[in-house]
Formats: sequence, C-alpha cells, structure tokens
Amino acid sequence: KAGVTQTPRYLIKTRGQQVTLSCSPISGHRSVSWYQQTPGQGLQFLFEYFSETQRNKGNFPGRFSGRQFSNSRSEMNVSTLELGDSALYLCASSENRDLGYEQYFGPGTRLTVT
Amino acid sequence: AQSVTQLDSHVSVSEGTPVLLRCNYSSSYSPSLFWYVQHPNKGLQLLLKYTSAATLVKGINGFEAEFKKSETSFHLTKPSAHMSDAAEYFCVVSRYNFNKFYFGSGTKLNVKP
Repeated sequence: KAGVTQTPRYLIKTRGQQVTLSCSPISGHRSVSWYQQTPGQGLQFLFEYFSETQRNKGNFPGRFSGRQFSNSRSEMNVSTLELGDSALYLCASSENRDLGYEQYFGPGTRLTVT
Repeated sequence: AQSVTQLDSHVSVSEGTPVLLRCNYSSSYSPSLFWYVQHPNKGLQLLLKYTSAATLVKGINGFEAEFKKSETSFHLTKPSAHMSDAAEYFCVVSRYNFNKFYFGSGTKLNVKP
C-alpha cells in the first residue's frame, strides 16, 4: 500500500496570508490527524477527523481549521499567518479511531512564514 | 489526562553498545504507548507499540520496550547500537479507544563510531 502523502512538501508564505495543506491517508484508513512540530514546542496535536467529522481538537486558535472529504483525504487551513506558524506540519492516518491503533505519518509539509 | 516525559533530551552511545531511552508516562486511563523514530527531514516511523497485551514489546530494527505499570515507565532499549540508529525518538501515549496522541519532547540519539 502507498503511504501517507502530503502536498506540498515545502511552502513559503508571507505573514497575513492563508495556506491550505493537503493529506492523503493510506488506502482504507478513515482517521486523519494533524500535528504541528516546532523546535520550541515539539509535536503538538491539532485535530483529528474520522468519517468527515472532527472528533478531537488540540489547543490551537481558530485560525487553524481542517476538513475531511468522503474519500478520507484531508486538508488543513491556516488563515492570517503569523511568523510563529512556521513549522513542520505532519499528517497521520489510522485504520480505526476506536481501538488505539498506531498512526502512520506522512513526510510533512515544511511551512515558512516570512 | 495523559502526558509523557522523556527523561533525556540527548543520549550518546558508541556503536555496538546498548541503547536505553527513558520514558515515563501519566495516564488517567489504560494507556496505549508507542515509540516512534524520526530521521532528519523525514516523517515519523513506528518502532513498536503497547496496547495492554504482553508487557515486553518487540519492535523493528532490534528495539524493544517494557511496560512497567508500577513505575509508569516505557523505556526503549536495544542491545547493540548501529550508526543508522542515530535519529530522534519520541515516546507517545494515547488513551485506549481514543485516537489522540500525546508526544514526549523527544530524545536525540547520537551513535559514535
């Protein structure tokens, strides 16, 4: 099976702009989670989607949003970008959200905000 | 609530010597525990997982971890380090039946020739 794919891999945006990142999970996986990784804060959970519904949310401002489509692909959007949003954004997919299954991670999207 | 503490931010070993990466967890519920590895500029790869079955868990590349409930620990070990093991390792706890991961701050493993 193909792994989790994320596009784009690298992105440079200007403060105040908005950005959309995409994630395609492993075929058959219905749960998609998003994480932000920064040197200062480490890996932080953003949100999780299962069957097009947001089931869990981390402690991030409302500028961070996401959605999941019927084919389980997911997008996350960050509006009004700030310098502190520069990070590696990781997407992970899982077979079944109800059984504590392991998550499989994509390579990430490196976002730089200038 | 769930949380994870990785006790060492950096560990340095010589090639061929044992590796010990320490992890303590806190969980109000029966936890699921995982170790992931991240090589530079790569995503995270699952090494092993504990989900309330055997307390000694064997993973890929010769790694293993032991779940000790009394000590709330889930330390990662490997008998003999290889140069390719140099990477950052993350201990992760999630609540069983709840798909939200809590990551430790990571331990960077350096392997000297």
